[in-house]
Amino acid sequence: EIVLTQSPGTLSLSPGERATLSCRASESVSSNSLAWYQQKPGQSPRLLIYSASARATGIPDRFSGSASGTDFTLTITRLEPEDFAVYYCQQYGSSPPFTFGPGTKVDIK
Amino acid sequence: DVQLLQSGAEVKKPGESLRISCKGSGYTFSNYWIGWVRQMPGKGLEWMGIIYPGDSDTKYSPSFRGQVTISADKSISTAYLQWSSLKASDTAMYFCARHPSGYSNSWSDYWGQGTLVTVSS
Repeated sequence: EIVLTQSPGTLSLSPGERATLSCRASESVSSNSLAWYQQKPGQSPRLLIYSASARATGIPDRFSGSASGTDFTLTITRLEPEDFAVYYCQQYGSSPPFTFGPGTKVDIK
Repeated sequence: DVQLLQSGAEVKKPGESLRISCKGSGYTFSNYWIGWVRQMPGKGLEWMGIIYPGDSDTKYSPSFRGQVTISADKSISTAYLQWSSLKASDTAMYFCARHPSGYSNSWSDYWGQGTLVTVSS
């Protein structure tokens, strides 16, 4: 089973700042099969990024994803008030289970 | 529009059985994998398993195999998550989510609103 580690656990930033979230896999994730989701309190998760760097439909271009080996990064270039939330990465490249990372909370500084 | 509509919140006692549902609309239900994800109170997302409604092919996380049963009825575009004997530790929000292709190895593009299951004596 691939284990995903996300860092930091909490990121305290101000609106307009840049957010850089990390997700590290315990082993290679085939074909960069990694997604990022945003979850706000009381809501369902929302797909942001798939295949490590492809933006989902309707996602603003301030969200971007990248990959380097077993390290994956979600970048939010300029935080908007609605971006303060918890972000999860998920790998789906190997046999199930398609594990999630523990999440990074982006909160207002 | 693609929608996944989940059944309502449940309050059950330990040892009781339960089946919750997830009804898909706005797409050909049979042709897309549907997964289930658990979120315990204040915690992260846990992948439980997926099913292909077209032929009921099912894959489980080892953590959940034997603890729950995932099924689907393609004739009514509905997937199910079932317990035969609930425990207090099953208290959680449960989400269903669609995979955007006929391949199980894919992300989840549409999510249900969640079903809160509370198990308490």
